[in-house]
Amino acid sequence: QLQLQESGPGLVKPSETLSLTCSVSGGSISSGNYYWGWIRQPPGKELQWIGTVSDSGETYDNPSLRSRVTLSVDTSKSQLSLNLNSVTAADTAVYYCARQGMGTGWGLGNAFDVWGQGTMVTVSS
Amino acid sequence: SYVLTQSPSVSVAPGQTARITCGGNNIGMKSVHWHQQKAGQAPVLVVYDDSDRPSGIPERFSGSNSGNTATLTISRVEAGDEADYYCQAWDSRSGHFVAFGGGTKLTVL
Repeated sequence: QLQLQESGPGLVKPSETLSLTCSVSGGSISSGNYYWGWIRQPPGKELQWIGTVSDSGETYDNPSLRSRVTLSVDTSKSQLSLNLNSVTAADTAVYYCARQGMGTGWGLGNAFDVWGQGTMVTVSS
Repeated sequence: SYVLTQSPSVSVAPGQTARITCGGNNIGMKSVHWHQQKAGQAPVLVVYDDSDRPSGIPERFSGSNSGNTATLTISRVEAGDEADYYCQAWDSRSGHFVAFGGGTKLTVL
């Protein structure tokens, strides 16, 4: 059974870079032409799409975060990575990674069907 | 970016039918997916491609999509269905944007 697990520091200082890793187990990142997404949820608020990376490394991201976001995939390690620089308190949220793999459409049109448990990141000095 | 609009809350009694809507410009031409998020937990996909159910999701969950509104219908609502529900859709015209709705809190009375 495919499982995703986010990891990274729970506390980041303002203006620094938030770096998270998503480890994929129980299946291969590079099988099935799946896409892999990052989504965040500020406390008490809605889900926000951060970006998606294909198993071949193509990236798509939210225009509101584009200048600060870097997404990557390491198929040899079965890991996804998210870097968000110049963070502020507004970036405090639970960060999820998820497989975008359910549906009959193309990559970004598919549903997020397997989610990690999420990791809380607080931006504070 | 593409905006999906959901009502903040819906309340129904057990055994009744809940309908949760998701509005968007010409959303009927897109594939809409629905996620259930219980308090303190990660979201779970309950409907994809407008009306299909992933394995393990009860038949009580169904969906439809036409015009400017997609709808998630939960029949014979149970106490365990109380959760936030989010719609998701992709818009290619705004430069490959994946949108989530603002979420609807389903309260079972």
